[in-house]
Amino acid sequence: GAGVSQSPSNKVTEKGKDVELRCDPISGHTALYWYRQSLGQGLEFLIYFQGNSAPDKSGLPSDRFSAERTGGSVSTLTIQRTQQEDSAVYLCASSLDRYGYTFGSGTRLTVV
Amino acid sequence: KQEVTQIPAALSVPEGENLVLNCSFTDSAIYNLQWFRQDPGKGLTSLLLIQSSQREQTSGRLNASLDKSSGRSTLYIAASQPGDSATYLCAFSRSNYQLIWGAGTKLIIKP
Repeated sequence: GAGVSQSPSNKVTEKGKDVELRCDPISGHTALYWYRQSLGQGLEFLIYFQGNSAPDKSGLPSDRFSAERTGGSVSTLTIQRTQQEDSAVYLCASSLDRYGYTFGSGTRLTVV
Repeated sequence: KQEVTQIPAALSVPEGENLVLNCSFTDSAIYNLQWFRQDPGKGLTSLLLIQSSQREQTSGRLNASLDKSSGRSTLYIAASQPGDSATYLCAFSRSNYQLIWGAGTKLIIKP
């Protein structure tokens, strides 16, 4: 596609429910990144994919968070048993090399 | 520990003024530093990237500088316009992929 597409754009969920966030990167971009932006905070690194592999998962806040990437393309970030502190904007970016980051518009997650 | 600090947190200036946004970081072993722009409801747009071996980069009315020894970067915006209103974020990379971010400066340019 022309840009990085994220869905849904907004998600309201009840505490304890599981949610899936989707990222569709730019075609041909081998690297994919997930970041989280909480209100008034800087972006927080979650996970990085090179192809389908995730060399660095160190940013995932807890074992309730997981992510996968299939076919070197679409990625899904799953949050199990959501908590209120999970409320944030989840941003996905892709790049062909180490410099050319293109970000999606994000998914605003609200846990009530 | 706040690794990247951006000052001021918010700035409002009249159209036409030149302005400087500041970014300081605690890690001198950075790989590169980038400035991004974030508009409400939209993704981040990369503005300028400065490699660790460089001192500055320019794009149109924007100029970014990097001083690794003092842990500082500045973004200079010349002849500001209302369309420049956005949140400006700086981020540095220790490696070739992970970015460490500041909280941003919210800029409002008044017509």
